[in-house]
Amino acid sequence: DAGVTQSPTHLIKTRGQQVTLRCSPKSGHDTVSWYQQALGQGPQFIFQYYEEEERQRGNFPDRFSGHQFPNYSSELNVNALLLGDSALYLCASSSPSSRMREQYFGPGTRLTVT
Amino acid sequence: AQKVTQAQTEISVVEKEDVTLDCVYETRDTTYYLFWYKQPPSGELVFLIRRNSFDEQNEISGRYSWNFQKSTSSFNFTITASQVVDSAVYFCALSGANAGGTSYGKLTFGQGTILTVHP
Repeated sequence: DAGVTQSPTHLIKTRGQQVTLRCSPKSGHDTVSWYQQALGQGPQFIFQYYEEEERQRGNFPDRFSGHQFPNYSSELNVNALLLGDSALYLCASSSPSSRMREQYFGPGTRLTVT
Repeated sequence: AQKVTQAQTEISVVEKEDVTLDCVYETRDTTYYLFWYKQPPSGELVFLIRRNSFDEQNEISGRYSWNFQKSTSSFNFTITASQVVDSAVYFCALSGANAGGTSYGKLTFGQGTILTVHP
C-alpha cells in the first residue's frame, strides 16, 4: 500500500519564478492538505482540497494556489517566488472514513529560492 | 484561533532515560483532536499518537505514553527508556472538530522540540 508521494524531492528556483509541486495521496484517501515548514519551525497549514475544491485556507497570499484532480492527486502552485518561500512543503492526505481525519504526510519537497 | 505551544526547544538525554515532552494548547472548539508527530532528519512527519477531547483516559503504547489534562490544556508525551533512534524533532498538533466529532482536518502545530538521545 503506497503512502503519500511527492515530487520533486528538491527544487531550486529564482526569485520571481513560478513553481508547481505535486502530491499523490495514500490509497483510499480523498482529501489533500498542504503545509509549509520553514527551517526550525512547525508546519503551517496552506490549504485543503476535497472533491476538487479548496475547502479551507490558512493565512497565505493568493500567490499560493492549488488544484485537485479526479484521481485525488493535487498540485501546489506558487507564483512570483520570494526568498521567504524557501521551505519544506509537505502534503498530507486523510481518509473520508475517519472522524479524526488523521493526516498522513509525504516526504516533502524542499524548495530553495535564490 | 488555535495555538499550540511547546516550551521545550531542545532536550538532551542519555539512552535509557525517560523523557517527557510538554505541549499546551488553546482552542475555542469544544471538540478537538490532539496528535504527536515525529520528524526524523529525512523530513517526513510520522504519526505517533492521537487523543480526542472527550476522552481523558491516558494510555500507553509500547514505550510511548501520554498524559492529557483538559483542565490545564496540556497533552504531554513520554518516551520510556529512550533510544538513539528516538532522536528527532517532535511536534504536538491540534485539530478542531464539529459538533459531531468530525475533524476539520486542519492541523495547527507547535514549534517542535528537538530531542537528542546520546548513547
